[in-house]
Amino acid sequence: DAGVIQSPRHEVTEMGQEVTLRCKLISGHNSLFWYRQTMMRGLELLIYFNNNVPIDDSGMPEDRFSAKMPNASFSTLKIQPSEPRDSAVYFCASSWGTGVHEQFFGPGTRLTVL
Amino acid sequence: DAKTTQPNSMESNEEEPVHLPCNHSTISGTDYIHWYRQLPSQGPEYVIHGLTSNVNNRMASLAIAEDRKSSTLILHRATLRDAAVYYCILRDRNTDKLIFGTGTRLQVFP
Repeated sequence: DAGVIQSPRHEVTEMGQEVTLRCKLISGHNSLFWYRQTMMRGLELLIYFNNNVPIDDSGMPEDRFSAKMPNASFSTLKIQPSEPRDSAVYFCASSWGTGVHEQFFGPGTRLTVL
Repeated sequence: DAKTTQPNSMESNEEEPVHLPCNHSTISGTDYIHWYRQLPSQGPEYVIHGLTSNVNNRMASLAIAEDRKSSTLILHRATLRDAAVYYCILRDRNTDKLIFGTGTRLQVFP
């Protein structure tokens, strides 16, 4: 298996532009997690899904952020409009089932908003 | 969420054992102890987890205190590739959420 796939790996955009980050889950996994990592705040959980349903979005910063799972193997995280403070590395992770199952992380997308 | 306390950094020499401590005095009966690590420029990766008994796998061992208020991740022979940030996380068995703290940055010297 190729593991969790994220695209793009790097994104540079200007303030005010829409940004879409993509994530492909490991085949057979049914839970999907979006995290953000910055020097100041460390690794933060933004939102997670189970069986395509958003379970907890309490970590989503504000309405500019939205996440979807259009199907069981794919997710998008959209920022519209983007701001310089959104600059971070965004990771997605997938797991099988719930509870104590380990999460498998993707390589991350480094986002820079100028 | 119950919190964990870890040293900010630790050092080791290659091929020596490393003991990474974690305090979690407010752990509840349904909390599992998870360890993840993050190598430079990579996403976190799972290392090991346990509830009450000590656990071993191919990567590491986890020693859990009898009162469960602390635990220690043991790398039996450190390699240069083990240089990473190690996160000790309490995860309730009824939730999928992982709440990452600041972790311990492990440096391994040749």
